[in-house]
Amino acid sequence: GESVGLHLPTLSVQEGDNSIINCAYSNSASDYFIWYKQESGKGPQFIIDIRSNMDKRQGQRVTVLLNKTVKHLSLQIAATQPGDSAVYFCAENGMNYGGSQGNLIFGKGTKLSVKP
Amino acid sequence: EAQVTQNPRYLITVTGKKLTVTCSQNMNHEYMSWYRQDPGLGLRQIYYSMNVEVTDKGDVPEGYKVSRKEKRNFPLILESPSPNQTSLYFCASSLLQGNSPLHFGNGTRLTVT
Repeated sequence: GESVGLHLPTLSVQEGDNSIINCAYSNSASDYFIWYKQESGKGPQFIIDIRSNMDKRQGQRVTVLLNKTVKHLSLQIAATQPGDSAVYFCAENGMNYGGSQGNLIFGKGTKLSVKP
Repeated sequence: EAQVTQNPRYLITVTGKKLTVTCSQNMNHEYMSWYRQDPGLGLRQIYYSMNVEVTDKGDVPEGYKVSRKEKRNFPLILESPSPNQTSLYFCASSLLQGNSPLHFGNGTRLTVT
């Protein structure tokens, strides 16, 4: 299988509990943020996004919170299920950040492990 | 079904033997991009394209080439692969650069011996 989960921070939760995955972003000028889920052997899958004019956005069982003051993004997963086990990445659009301007810049990810 | 398709899924080759990884999207997206993913380093951008015949270097372009002759296709070319290019590669596309979700393919696992 793929080894993308190696060397990552791990969050272990009990099935049915809520999960909170955190991400610190780099660029105060970033105005678009995304969360991705990557399961073993698959490409990253879009979960939810948020723009900088919002501080909260909800989807199905997921909520993203944005705190621009401290450049912090979090993903909350309600009633975590075994199928939620994966690596989760945040991304910012890094306006005027080092590298390619305006391209998404990804965090290294957090591995979520759900215990049955 | 809206998707990004990469081929092949797995590829084992030898140093110096030219190879191409194909990528195609059926969503009429203008923006396409290639990433490599290595343990501990996350997703790093190789090249991207904002439209047909427009390509730009990402953060790790050395040893790679791309082309964008048609909107739907964005192949990644390794003219002379080396072992340090052993990695997991992803192609992705989006409607807009940096302002809409990227849709990823399922990856190509490349091993260069």
